[in-house]
Formats: sequence, structure tokens, C-alpha cells
Amino acid sequence: SAVISQKPSRDICQRGTSLTIQCQVDSQVTMMFWYRQQPGQSLTLIATANQGSEATYESGFVIDKFPISRPNLTFSTLTVSNMSPEDSSIYLCSVVDLSTDTQYFGPGTRLTVL
Amino acid sequence: AQSVSQHNHHVILSEAASLELGCNYSYGGTVNLFWYVQYPGQHLQLLLKYFSGDPLVKGIKGFEAEFIKSKFSFNLRKPSVQWSDTAEYFCAVNFETVNAGNNRKLIWGLGTSLAVNP
Repeated sequence: SAVISQKPSRDICQRGTSLTIQCQVDSQVTMMFWYRQQPGQSLTLIATANQGSEATYESGFVIDKFPISRPNLTFSTLTVSNMSPEDSSIYLCSVVDLSTDTQYFGPGTRLTVL
Repeated sequence: AQSVSQHNHHVILSEAASLELGCNYSYGGTVNLFWYVQYPGQHLQLLLKYFSGDPLVKGIKGFEAEFIKSKFSFNLRKPSVQWSDTAEYFCAVNFETVNAGNNRKLIWGLGTSLAVNP
């Protein structure tokens, strides 16, 4: 199974600033997802980040607000731009093991925006 | 719209009690079904999954789930829970479509918080 790490694990940020979250995987993976989990809600998919192509965003999420980079098969970043308190959430990255069709998740980044 | 619902948001049980957590989804096409668990302070991890074949699937730690296509359900069960089963349980569904096939995108239920008293 893939081992995923995320940085930072948590942060408290001021309104209007931006935060970049890093996701590092211990093996090469093609498919990677970024999710958001707001308090009391289920996981919501933000975008699919496949290496070699532009990220594909889900309805309600746009590149200007959540730019994503995927420079290689083991790394990705998600930036939360121009933050507001409504962006306070846990942000998770996941990867897909295509041989078993199983998603593995990182530990998450807990973001609080004041 | 495709959706996943979990009926029990908070469940409290005593050790050795039986557990059943409900999960229903809204789509009549091909689905791939998952249950994930998140223990306190840990990552989400896969409990079990169903893609095809025997509708009764067994997962880790004595959990099992039954896919009932006619009821659009995938309920999670365990005959005898332990204190260590205290966790958040999530049902997730991948909805295959004609256009996208299996895109591995998951739609998630709200989760069920299970507390097992020793």
C-alpha cells in the first residue's frame, strides 16, 4: 500500500492569505485526488491531479481558488488562495493503486482561517 | 444527482454487541462500493470493498458488508464489536458511467461515529 505524507499537518492562517499544502507519496502513482472535509460534512472531491495533464476540477471548485501542481508521479501541491473562514477544513490527498482499485489517503491538513 | 446516505450518524454500543451501519446510494447503474474507517488520530483506511461477484464481502478486523442491488444498499456489519472499533466509518461509492467508465472518483456518505463502551 502507498504511504502518503502531507505538510503542514495543521495551520492557522489569516483571511486573504494563501497556503500551499504538499502531498508526497512513497511510490509512483498516476491518479491523485484532493478532497476537502468541512466540519460535520462528508469528504468532497476538489479535483483530480494526474501527472502530465491539467488538474480536473469538480463543480464548485475553480483553479484560481485551488491551483494544483503535479510535477511528477510522487508529489503534488494544492494551494488554497485568498482564504476566508469558510475555507477552514481538513484537506486530504489520496492516490489510487490501479492494481487493486483502492484509494489510499494522507493524514490530512487541518486548516483554520481567522 | 448521485448521492450516498448513511442513516446512523452516531452509534453507541457496548462491547460484544452486534453492529450494523446502513449505507444507501442513489444510482441504478454500475457501482463500486467501499467502507473506510478512521480511527482516532489516524488516516482513513479501507475496511472492505465490493466490485462484483459474491455480494457478501469480508474485510479486515471481522467486518463484512452485503451488497443488495435491489435496495441500493451496502450495509456494514460486525457480529461482536470491541472497544478498539471506536472510530468514524464512511461509506463511499464510485459510480461508473457510460462516458467516464470507472473514473475512481468517490462520493462519500456523511460518516457514522461509533463509540464502543468497554
